[in-house]
Amino acid sequence: ELKVEQNPLFLSMQEGKNYTIYCNYSTTSDRLYWYRQDPGKSLESLFVLLSNGAVKQEGRLMASLDTKARLSTLHITAAVHDLSATYFCAVDLDSGYALNFGKGTSLLVTP
Amino acid sequence: DTGVSQDPRHKITKRGQNVTFRCDPISEHNRLYWYRQTLGQGPEFLTYFQNEAQLEKSRLLSDRFSAERPKGSFSTLEIQRTEQGDSAMYLCASSRSPEQFFGPGTRLTVL
Repeated sequence: ELKVEQNPLFLSMQEGKNYTIYCNYSTTSDRLYWYRQDPGKSLESLFVLLSNGAVKQEGRLMASLDTKARLSTLHITAAVHDLSATYFCAVDLDSGYALNFGKGTSLLVTP
Repeated sequence: DTGVSQDPRHKITKRGQNVTFRCDPISEHNRLYWYRQTLGQGPEFLTYFQNEAQLEKSRLLSDRFSAERPKGSFSTLEIQRTEQGDSAMYLCASSRSPEQFFGPGTRLTVL
């Protein structure tokens, strides 16, 4: 059974600081996804990482994938309050692309 | 609006009643997914369609749950004889590539 683990599960950080969220998964996969969810809302796709060594950046967020280590990171640079949300990583195993999600990292950015 | 839509957005029902949810995917997307999300957890995969064919079901999908996607367009998810444990957010997603786009969800409360 594929397990997807995120850490930390809760993160409170000050505006302007940098931090990294980690996503480990238990079975070989070349595809990893990051989503953002605001309270009471649905999921917004942030990054799709489709190969070993993939790195993608959007604004203050950068995601990377190391398939050999079965590890993805989501790096936050100079955090701002608008980044406060829950961030999920997800992995799929087969051609159907059904996603297996982690429990999410709840991020709070404070002044 | 060309995103994934779901109806209703909220449903309150009494235990033992049947409920049906609808999902309208993005028009050119041939894949459609249903997920369930409970408070504080990541979404859990329920089932997946490619066009009108239901290709995968999670073991979470008990015999009280049934999903259809007639003509490969919209999809319905029916829950029979609802139980309090069915209370959750039911999310629909669609795709034509690995990246999935999620709808706003239907929040089910079983009293």
